[in-house]
Amino acid sequence: QKEVEQNSGPLSVPEGAIASLNCTYSDRGSQSFFWYRQYSGKSPELIMFIYSNGDKEDGRFTAQLNKASQYVSLLIRDSQPSDSATYLCAVNTNPGNTPLVFGKGTRLSVIA
Amino acid sequence: DGGITQSPKYLFRKEGQNVTLSCEQNLNHDAMYWYRQDPGQGLRLIYYSQIVNDFQKGDIAEGYSVSREKKESFPLTVTSAQKNPTAFYLCASSTTARPQHFGDGTRLSIL
Repeated sequence: QKEVEQNSGPLSVPEGAIASLNCTYSDRGSQSFFWYRQYSGKSPELIMFIYSNGDKEDGRFTAQLNKASQYVSLLIRDSQPSDSATYLCAVNTNPGNTPLVFGKGTRLSVIA
Repeated sequence: DGGITQSPKYLFRKEGQNVTLSCEQNLNHDAMYWYRQDPGQGLRLIYYSQIVNDFQKGDIAEGYSVSREKKESFPLTVTSAQKNPTAFYLCASSTTARPQHFGDGTRLSIL
């Protein structure tokens, strides 16, 4: 069974701090990696994706991938109360247009 | 405006009843997916379709059925065989160049 593991949280950080969200995956052949944000009662929204080892930055968000350690993370700089949500890590374990495997998500709470 | 439309937003099922959830996309995406989300849980794959007239079972297909007669449409039927259907149902679509994006979801409850 291909698995994606996340700490369920809640992860509480003060406003303005860096939030660090982590994810590990079991399938060493995994190709691509995604972070979705899900507000309570809403559907997931794609915020970052990464395919290669290293860092990828987009505004306040940085995705980090380490395929050797089977580890992907999401950093949120200058956290805002509006960042409070559940963050879902997802992995594409097969090439092409195939389903993602999702973790259960980490709930982030940014305290004003 | 391109997007994925799910309807209805809320649905109630009576005992022994089949209900159908609609999912339509105008993004010209080849693949479409149905996921189920239970409170505090991640997304579990029900069915997916990579091309018209073809679909594959996911991890929890029992009690569900789908069809893919048109590229734009991928309806999900929750049959009476699904004994615990109360959940948030999410439809998504993708291409090889565009990652999965989701519709707004349908909440299904038992009457």
